Amino acid sequence: ETGVTQTPRHLVMGMTNKKSLKCEQHLGHNAMYWYKQSAKKPLELMFVYNFKEQTENNSVPSRFSPECPNSSHLFLHLHTLQPEDSALYLCASSQAIARTDTQYFGPGTRLTVL
Amino acid sequence: KQEVTQIPAALSVPEGENLVLNCSFTDSAIYNLQWFRQDPGKGLTSLLLIQSSQREQTSGRLNASLDKSSGRSTLYIAASQPGDSATYLCAVRNNNDMRFGAGTRLTVKP
Repeated sequence: ETGVTQTPRHLVMGMTNKKSLKCEQHLGHNAMYWYKQSAKKPLELMFVYNFKEQTENNSVPSRFSPECPNSSHLFLHLHTLQPEDSALYLCASSQAIARTDTQYFGPGTRLTVL
Repeated sequence: KQEVTQIPAALSVPEGENLVLNCSFTDSAIYNLQWFRQDPGKGLTSLLLIQSSQREQTSGRLNASLDKSSGRSTLYIAASQPGDSATYLCAVRNNNDMRFGAGTRLTVKP
């Protein structure tokens, strides 16, 4: 266990549904990240939060809406998704966003959009 | 835009062999390079992190090297074991952005 938990582990949703992914870290870190891992594509960084403030948004469509209420919790709100959004969504945390900081990953949420 | 390439895409070796995984990147102005391991359907586990000022890092049977000027890194695994079977990813950090390679899927046969 890395100290980063994600729920749910699996999610199936229709294109008109609204759902949320949750990430929690128990490491006392201040930075949290959302990544998307699609089949046959490299892992893609989506959002970065440092001390609850969003510092990076890698041109992610607005149907993905992140929320970071505190340094330990990170959410990804989903609405009106497309089948191509089906992927493994990984959360990670690090002490801060300094150059020396290692990221610790959660187990991921496997999302299927029908 | 940073691009990260990993070769080979897949590798199968008998137990006990030493092996090398390769990672190349196009923009040498990096902060660090990190090697991860990913088991099927699981998250990533950090193996080694090399700062831009460093040439190599070692942990147990793993040794990672970095040649920033040529845009290359290697992960050397000594005396491979079946438990080493996984996908190995390298990731390069520039500013707040991390770029991953597509990974090398390693199978170590008993």
